[in-house]
Amino acid sequence: GAVVSQHPSRVICKSGTSVKIECRSLDFQATTMFWYRQFPKQSLMLMATSNEGSKATYEQGVEKDKFLINHASLTLSTLTVTSAHPEDSSFYICSATVRQGLESEKLFFGSGTQLSVL
Amino acid sequence: KQEVTQIPAALSVPEGENLVLNCSFTDSAIYNLQWFRQDPGKGLTSLLLIQSSQREQTSGRLNASLDKSSGRSTLYIAASQPGDSATYLCAVSGYSTLTFGKGTMLLVSP
Repeated sequence: GAVVSQHPSRVICKSGTSVKIECRSLDFQATTMFWYRQFPKQSLMLMATSNEGSKATYEQGVEKDKFLINHASLTLSTLTVTSAHPEDSSFYICSATVRQGLESEKLFFGSGTQLSVL
Repeated sequence: KQEVTQIPAALSVPEGENLVLNCSFTDSAIYNLQWFRQDPGKGLTSLLLIQSSQREQTSGRLNASLDKSSGRSTLYIAASQPGDSATYLCAVSGYSTLTFGKGTMLLVSP
């Protein structure tokens, strides 16, 4: 079955540094990838939608200059948290869609990245 | 390793029916459980979040219950409408993990 690989699974960094998270579709081409984050005890929230070869679409309230998304190929999307601060500490997870037939698609998820900013 | 199962995989009902979607998980050591809907081409929309200490949550026509000890959750949709047609996913949060079920594809016909 389709697999989405997300790395790293856990990262601890100092405030002010940048962190890159990779999301890779291993055996399929993902035309669309989604990035989410989840703060403790809160719902998973969509951050942005990324289509291969075009700029990402960010949800309201998500800073595009802080959360840089690159979807340069059909199998790889990256999220870079620039100048990370403690309030960016969160669980980040990606997902990718696979079209199945004309009217349906399936969603596959990475395993998530726990970011802790000191 | 946490496993999440959703039953049924697909469901088709006429408009106006009440329906129940089921979600089960193997490891009861969870922080919370969430229900989402997914529309084609779109990201997930969060519907309800139930903390591990809670038994249920309600939002409009939706009611979700959680029985952590038995590893089960249900999503009840009252008076279904064609606009409810979507794929519904549940996900359980553990320590630095979020495990999704494969979803239930719901079709509500007029």
